[in-house]
Amino acid sequence: KNQVEQSPQSLIILEGKNCTLQCNYTVSPFSNLRWYKQDTGRGPVSLTIMTFSENTKSNGRYTATLDADTKQSSLHITASQLSDSASYICVVSARGGSYIPTFGRGTSLIVHP
Amino acid sequence: DTGVSQDPRHKITKRGQNVTFRCDPISEHNRLYWYRQTLGQGPEFLTYFQNEAQLEKSRLLSDRFSAERPKGSFSTLEIQRTEQGDSAMYLCASSLVAQETQYFGPGTRLLVL
Repeated sequence: KNQVEQSPQSLIILEGKNCTLQCNYTVSPFSNLRWYKQDTGRGPVSLTIMTFSENTKSNGRYTATLDADTKQSSLHITASQLSDSASYICVVSARGGSYIPTFGRGTSLIVHP
Repeated sequence: DTGVSQDPRHKITKRGQNVTFRCDPISEHNRLYWYRQTLGQGPEFLTYFQNEAQLEKSRLLSDRFSAERPKGSFSTLEIQRTEQGDSAMYLCASSLVAQETQYFGPGTRLLVL
């Protein structure tokens, strides 16, 4: 069964600090992995997409890493801002079939001033 | 605005009533997805369309749920005889092709009293 597990479930940090969110998956055969940011009461917004051959991808202060061998990904946020407070969802898609992605439960990040 | 739009944004109804939600995807996107999200969880897949064809339905989609995309553009999701357990955020997303990034709408938050 395809699964995506995220940790921690929630995280509180001070403004300006860095943090790293984790994603482990069992989706196979792997096609791509996306990180989404979801503000409270809004739909998710894509931050990064990574394919099998990519190890690192950055989008501003967000840097995602992928280890396809261990089936792990991380999202590193640098110099956090209050606007980073949101849920971060890891989404993994398999090759073939209907391409329905598997969503993690998300990590809830709160950035305090 | 060329993003995905959903209507209404909020809906409060009494148990047993029928409700219908509308999703307008990005105009050139062929794929349209419906998800349900409860508090603290990631989105759960309900169904998706390739143009006007409904190609897959989750087992979460009981016979009280029906979705249509009659002309391959906008889509509707109807819930008949609503139950309190139907209370959730209903998200719509669209993508150009199967493996492309899904763009989410703002969601319709349903509360069944």
